[in-house]
Amino acid sequence: EAGVAQSPRYKIIEKRQSVAFWCNPISGHATLYWYQQILGQGPKLLIQFQNNGVVDDSQLPKDRFSAERLKGVDSTLKIQPAKLEDSAVYLCASHIDRDNEQFFGPGTRLTVL
Amino acid sequence: SQQGEEDPQALSIQEGENATMNCSYKTSINNLQWYRQNSGRGLVHLILIRSNEREKHSGRLRVTLDTSKKSSSLLITASRAADTASYFCAFPMDTGRRALTFGSGTRLQVQP
Repeated sequence: EAGVAQSPRYKIIEKRQSVAFWCNPISGHATLYWYQQILGQGPKLLIQFQNNGVVDDSQLPKDRFSAERLKGVDSTLKIQPAKLEDSAVYLCASHIDRDNEQFFGPGTRLTVL
Repeated sequence: SQQGEEDPQALSIQEGENATMNCSYKTSINNLQWYRQNSGRGLVHLILIRSNEREKHSGRLRVTLDTSKKSSSLLITASRAADTASYFCAFPMDTGRRALTFGSGTRLQVQP
């Protein structure tokens, strides 16, 4: 079974620029998450999708972050404009509804200069 | 939402020794999970223990859960150099939700 795919793996931008990350979850996984992991910390939830609907975006900084999952499969996360404190690894995860185990992608490491 | 606390923050042991990591949380949970993260990679699910279980084993892993103390421990027996990684406990953010809150992690270094 193919795992969760993410791209790009690395991205370096300057502050105030825009950036987008892409995630393709495991086939058949209805639930998709985006997490932000700052160096030395555990992942923190940004947004949760169920199919193409948002379940929870309470921790998403909506003034600069946006995410979509238009067809209920792959998803994009965008930051516009980026700040220095957005430097982190952005992880995508998915799971089948009946299971609690989440499957993570390799992440995108963002550096904002 | 609640946070998870893990200790120690870092642990260095020799190959063959056992490694124990602890996790504490603040509110009621229905399950607790442990994940491993190798440097520069995503997280891999190791084991899940439900609130009505006290202990669970998987290969060289042993997890305990004490809901009265709101704590869990992960024991890795006969450690190997390949076990070098960061280990995180995680649990549902709120009852009925599947989104996870992660602990701060324990960085394990196993010396060959």
